[in-house]
Amino acid sequence: ETGVTQTPRHLVMGMTNKKSLKCEQHLGHNAMYWYKQSAKKPLELMFVYNFKEQTENNSVPSRFSPECPNSSHLFLHLHTLQPEDSALYLCASSQEGPQSTWSYEQYFGPGTRLTVT
Amino acid sequence: QKEVEQNSGPLSVPEGAIASLNCTYSDRGSQSFFWYRQYSGKSPELIMSIYSNGDKEDGRFTAQLNKASQYVSLLIRDSQPSDSATYLCAVNAGKSTFGDGTTLTVKP
Repeated sequence: ETGVTQTPRHLVMGMTNKKSLKCEQHLGHNAMYWYKQSAKKPLELMFVYNFKEQTENNSVPSRFSPECPNSSHLFLHLHTLQPEDSALYLCASSQEGPQSTWSYEQYFGPGTRLTVT
Repeated sequence: QKEVEQNSGPLSVPEGAIASLNCTYSDRGSQSFFWYRQYSGKSPELIMSIYSNGDKEDGRFTAQLNKASQYVSLLIRDSQPSDSATYLCAVNAGKSTFGDGTTLTVKP
């Protein structure tokens, strides 16, 4: 496997279900990100992890719960979602410089297309 | 004011023309600048990165950076229909911040 992988690629879930999205990066990066992109809308940054520590949570509802067990893996746990949560969920990774004053390019996974019914 | 602003578009150019995409940013401490291409329903793909003032060329793509004016642009020469996509500008000053994107359509 190379680059950034995400599973599953497509997910349909009911509002009462619990599911998890998985992301894995094979680039040796130290930062990972979750983004949400609704249809024809801009990217929305959800969570940022640097060296496994969550450094940013952009007012994301608690029904989204991230987990970063190590610098290569990132999960997004989903529960009690709403139909408006249907979107493309993108994972990305990058190499952060010292003291986070410098960041190199982000590489994105293919995304998970989530539909909440 | 948004941290990263792009022309909302859509931008339409004929095949073979030069497409010019513009981006301005608010944080003068920004040090790295990126352009991504995103096809409909797909994830963003990095096409250019630029770190110092001036021009950087890669094939048909040229990125231009002017830190004094807080301006970064992307030129696409000899535009092809396959260049039709949304182009995202990203700026870093500690973390990458993305613009909303400019949709480009290249008409045959």
